[in-house]
Amino acid sequence: SQTIHQWPATLVQPVGSPLSLECTVEGTSNPNLYWYRQAAGRGLQLLFYSVGIGQISSEVPQNLSASRPQDRQFILSSKKLLLSDSGFYLCAWSNEPYEQYFGPGTRLTVT
Amino acid sequence: DQQVKQNSPSLSVQEGRISILNCDYTNSMFDYFLWYKKYPAEGPTFLISISSIKDKNEDGRFTVFLNKSAKHLSLHIVPSQPGDSAVYFCAARDDKIIFGKGTRLHILP
Repeated sequence: SQTIHQWPATLVQPVGSPLSLECTVEGTSNPNLYWYRQAAGRGLQLLFYSVGIGQISSEVPQNLSASRPQDRQFILSSKKLLLSDSGFYLCAWSNEPYEQYFGPGTRLTVT
Repeated sequence: DQQVKQNSPSLSVQEGRISILNCDYTNSMFDYFLWYKKYPAEGPTFLISISSIKDKNEDGRFTVFLNKSAKHLSLHIVPSQPGDSAVYFCAARDDKIIFGKGTRLHILP
């Protein structure tokens, strides 16, 4: 069966510090991978998606970036965090065009 | 501009009664609609879906209705149970999935 891992589960970082969140998927090949953010009082906002290694599409211009160094690895990064980057970050994968499967999420608090 | 709208941020329903969660959309090109359920500090989990060529899909206690002319879909949960208390996201797909802001459902004892 397929599983998706995200870490860390919780992170507190000061403004201006760098960020690296990692997501890995097991049990499937060549998945589509997604990064979402759920900010307080808001829904799920798609940040990046990837259909293959090195292929990243950005949905929202911001100070975040994503990379896919391996087929089942998706990394969300920032060089300098802003207060507005606080939120719940979710990685998801899909192999079908219609359903996505989410990881457990990372709670990021920027102080 | 929100293409998928869940206008009720929260809903309280008595245990055993029917819960009805509503969702409106604006993009007529959406061909597939989904509902996800999310508990605090967890990722959303897929609940039920419906293709745009159908008007109803049922799975156990969960039924999704689609009214294409009104660009409206709803999720019915009957009977509602305490474990149904969660945030429910409506989502729609054209070339990617777009989520609504969610509705928090409280099941009252």
